[in-house]
Amino acid sequence: EAGVTQFPSHSVIEKGQTVTLRCDPISGHDNLYWYRRVMGKEIKFLLHFVKESKQDESGMPNNRFLAERTGGTYSTLKVQPAELEDSGVYFCASSQATTILYFGPGTRLTVT
Amino acid sequence: SQKIEQNSEALNIQEGKTATLTCNYTNYSPAYLQWYRQDPGRGPVFLLLIRENEKEKRKERLKVTFDTTLKQSLFHITASQPADSATYLCALDFTGGGNKLTFGTGTQLKVEL
Repeated sequence: EAGVTQFPSHSVIEKGQTVTLRCDPISGHDNLYWYRRVMGKEIKFLLHFVKESKQDESGMPNNRFLAERTGGTYSTLKVQPAELEDSGVYFCASSQATTILYFGPGTRLTVT
Repeated sequence: SQKIEQNSEALNIQEGKTATLTCNYTNYSPAYLQWYRQDPGRGPVFLLLIRENEKEKRKERLKVTFDTTLKQSLFHITASQPADSATYLCALDFTGGGNKLTFGTGTQLKVEL
């Protein structure tokens, strides 16, 4: 069974540009989460989808971040315009009716 | 707000010894407490989960304890091996559904030959 995949693995962009991160959850998992880790800090929750609906987006830092989950399958996280403080590793995770999360390898975002 | 503390310094132990990692938290106790392992360049991998009404959980060489009075969880790896070297993360689950985990910063474990 394929795990959670994320694309790209690494992205370097300039301040003010737009970046879109993609996550493909494990097939059949209704729950999809985005987390991120900024330098030296702990991994923090961003938002939670159940199928295509946003269940909880209380962790989204501001309106420069937009997450979507088309048809309840893959998800994208767009940052527009990117700021220096957005640099970090963005993790996607999925689960199905359990408390156990399966994480992807992460996308390392560097904003210069 | 809730705060989680894990040993910020790396833990170095000899192969075959027991590694003990600590997770302390403030304020109220979570419904579940989870431990994850993270290797460089990879996402966290689930290891064990313990509920607030459980004192201890075991899985092979791993053991987790949960003391809601002390607001502390201990994570033990017995008969440690170099392959156990990684960062170990404690995560609190207040919702009970795994839907919004609050992570600690993690403790790096290095098992030496």
